Amino acid sequence: NAGVTQTPKFQVLKTGQSMTLQCAQDMNHEYMSWYRQDPGMGLRLIHYSVGAGITDQGEVPNGYNVSRSTTEDFPLRLLSAAPSQTSVYFCASSRSESEQFFGPGTRLTVL
Amino acid sequence: GENVEQHPSTLSVQEGDSAVIKCTYSDSASNYFPWYKQELGKRPQLIIDIRSNVGEKKDQRIAVTLNKTAKHFSLHITETQPEDSAVYFCAANSGGSNYKLTFGKGTLLTVNP
Repeated sequence: NAGVTQTPKFQVLKTGQSMTLQCAQDMNHEYMSWYRQDPGMGLRLIHYSVGAGITDQGEVPNGYNVSRSTTEDFPLRLLSAAPSQTSVYFCASSRSESEQFFGPGTRLTVL
Repeated sequence: GENVEQHPSTLSVQEGDSAVIKCTYSDSASNYFPWYKQELGKRPQLIIDIRSNVGEKKDQRIAVTLNKTAKHFSLHITETQPEDSAVYFCAANSGGSNYKLTFGKGTLLTVNP
């Protein structure tokens, strides 16, 4: 099993550009989440999904969209990138009532 | 929503000493409290978790205690080793759902040889 995978590992964008961060898991987990990690701020929940076709907002959803068309994939879209979205993004997945497994992260810089 | 406070933000100990990290939470409905370890440049990984129906859980040199009345929980690492050096995050779930976690801001633990 590859576990949770994320692409790309690094990305540099200009303000106003859009892009999609990819996340996939091969563990048949129902739950998937996106977090951003900023220095001194811990991990903050952006969006999460409890199954295909079901998504909901977390603590910091503004500027991000998600969709969940399959159990395996949970992409995160930045509609119009801003410097405040410079961060490390982690995707995570879990079964019900169990630990969350994190992907390796995507380091995003918005100029 | 849930609010999780974590202290201290940095902790330096000598190899072999114990380390304690403390967290408080605000949502009385929280019932799942995981601890994650993140080494530099790596992903967070679960090291131990506790549910609200127990007061303490141990796994070798690591233990977690929970006081539901006071809404605080702590991570205890005994006989620290240099490889324990990392950032540690506590978390609490919201609304009784494990997948909706609120994290503390982290503690940078340095174990000096």
